[in-house]
Amino acid sequence: QQPVQSPQAVILREGEDAVINCSSSKALYSVHWYRQKHGEAPVFLMILLKGGEQKGHEKISASFNEKKQQSSLYLTASQLSYSGTYFCGTERGSARQLTFGSGTQLTVLP
Amino acid sequence: NAGVTQTPKFQVLKTGQSMTLQCAQDMNHNSMYWYRQDPGMGLRLIYYSASEGTTDKGEVPNGYNVSRLNKREFSLRLESAAPSQTSVYFCASSELWGTRETQYFGPGTRLLVL
Repeated sequence: QQPVQSPQAVILREGEDAVINCSSSKALYSVHWYRQKHGEAPVFLMILLKGGEQKGHEKISASFNEKKQQSSLYLTASQLSYSGTYFCGTERGSARQLTFGSGTQLTVLP
Repeated sequence: NAGVTQTPKFQVLKTGQSMTLQCAQDMNHNSMYWYRQDPGMGLRLIYYSASEGTTDKGEVPNGYNVSRLNKREFSLRLESAAPSQTSVYFCASSELWGTRETQYFGPGTRLLVL
């Protein structure tokens, strides 16, 4: 079942902060975050596991609330290069298959 | 390292034609994946291969076949293309981190079926 991302789109000025949310109605094992710029491949940002482990980009932080089956991606002091579409991919059980949300389009203006 | 490479970058087919999309990775990853991405939507898994010699269906396998030729290469074949298969196709490979895998994507193949 596809996770739900919110908001669908957000526009920021450089230096402002943003939060992107990803929710699932099913129990999750892990949440993966990717950023995709127009016409390019998705790029891995972070993985968050049930139990608290995470690995990812130095300048990006995220959380995983296991009780709510929700993950949030925090973009602080945004830069122009942060513009793109952010996707969360959720993993249930041990299948190692990701189901992706429909994306959040982030635009950072000068 | 080139990472994940895909050929061709663009392709136009007529309905009923067949073609094979090629994917190769040089990161010594065991697992490889094929996704499709339609406008305004997320990625949907077509097939994946957990290791050389194994393949499994994903969310949208109908109309596609795959071959894991060796550890490096994973191809996707459309036997009889349909307009509904117009999409951008991404190949990915993944590296193991603890018990989970993080995926790395190729540049994509843009396919138009007329």
